[in-house]
Amino acid sequence: EAGVAQSPRYKIIEKRQSVAFWCNPISGHATLYWYQQILGQGPKLLIQFQNNGVVDDSQLPKDRFSAERLKGVDSTLKIQPAKLEDSAVYLCASSLGAAATNEKLFFGSGTQLSVL
Amino acid sequence: AQKITQTQPGMFVQEKEAVTLDCTYDTSDQSYGLFWYKQPSSGEMIFLIYQGSYDEQNATEGRYSLNFQKARKSANLVISASQLGDSAMYFCAMKRRDTGNQFYFGTGTSLTVIP
Repeated sequence: EAGVAQSPRYKIIEKRQSVAFWCNPISGHATLYWYQQILGQGPKLLIQFQNNGVVDDSQLPKDRFSAERLKGVDSTLKIQPAKLEDSAVYLCASSLGAAATNEKLFFGSGTQLSVL
Repeated sequence: AQKITQTQPGMFVQEKEAVTLDCTYDTSDQSYGLFWYKQPSSGEMIFLIYQGSYDEQNATEGRYSLNFQKARKSANLVISASQLGDSAMYFCAMKRRDTGNQFYFGTGTSLTVIP
């Protein structure tokens, strides 16, 4: 079974530029998550989708970050304009979307963003 | 409020020895799940072990076991017979049903296995 696919693997941009990340979850997974992981910290949830609807985006800096999940499958996360503090690894994860507490997250390899 | 606490930023263990990574959590929900993930330097998060709040026995998966103490709200990961490949970041996470099945992660523990 194919895992969670993310691209690009690495991205280097200058501040004030824009950047986009792409994620394709495991087939059949209804729930998709974007996490930001700053070096030395745990993953912080940016946005959670259930199919193509947003469940939680309370920690998404909406003045510069946006995300969409068209057709409830793959998703893109965009930053415009980027700031130095956005340098982090952006992890995409997916799950079946059932309410069971034993349902685990499957993660992609992440996109490492460096803002110069 | 911090929901998952990992108080050990870094740990060292001798190869072939056992090591315990601490995790405490905070929730008033009765139904929740506790997870441990491993993150090697490559970056991908790898699922290790799960413990449900209603599970009476501690979970085990090969060399990994979870020391679950519900009254103390702790879910410590025990790695037996450490191997060099166990060197990585380890994250404790909680999934709560009362918050839309969101996952909350701790700050992680960096484990280094010494040959």
